[in-house]
Amino acid sequence: DIQMTQSPSTLSASVGDRVTITCRANHFISSWLAWYQQKPGKAPKLLIYKASNLATGVPSRFSGSGSGTEFTLTISSLQPDDFATYFCQQYNVFSWMFGQGTKVEIK
Amino acid sequence: EVQLEESGGGLVKPGGSLRLSCAASGFTFNDYNMDWVRQPPGKGLEWLASISSGSDYIYYTDSVKGRFTISRDNAKNSLYLQINNLRAEDTAVYYCAREGGGYKFPLDYWGQGTLVTVSS
Repeated sequence: DIQMTQSPSTLSASVGDRVTITCRANHFISSWLAWYQQKPGKAPKLLIYKASNLATGVPSRFSGSGSGTEFTLTISSLQPDDFATYFCQQYNVFSWMFGQGTKVEIK
Repeated sequence: EVQLEESGGGLVKPGGSLRLSCAASGFTFNDYNMDWVRQPPGKGLEWLASISSGSDYIYYTDSVKGRFTISRDNAKNSLYLQINNLRAEDTAVYYCAREGGGYKFPLDYWGQGTLVTVSS
């Protein structure tokens, strides 16, 4: 199975900060990587697909980059609504795998 | 509007069985592959299984092979997950989710989840 490793596990930041989360795959997955945002008690929401494509309705302050085995999610200017947990997911081959998550907390 | 609504969760004793359902609406169900994902309390997401639009292709994560069975009824716009021989570590919120259309697309719509608690 392809394993996904996110870093950091927790991130403390302030409104307006630029935030970057990293996701690494232990095997090549091309650009078949997605990012999700999850708030407490809610289902995950798709943010980014195919490494860098914004899902419908997602604000442009979110961006994704990378290919192969290393990927990043960047929030250019953190907003109050962005404090949540973020997961990456590879969908290159089954079994699909999520990263362990990165919690973005208020500093 | 795309809607997915899970049901069938609850408190089950170890060794018991459960069948989760997911009712889909707002899209042409038989055009999309569908998946189940779970999340233990306070933990991360675990992808469980995928079924193609016509049930031709089914995939499972290794940890549930032989105990979990994904199925669908396109006439009823419904997705199912049969879980047998339940264990304490199966305690989680179970989500159904839609794979976006086209070649290789992740999970673009999710239900609100149904909680399964395995305890004696």
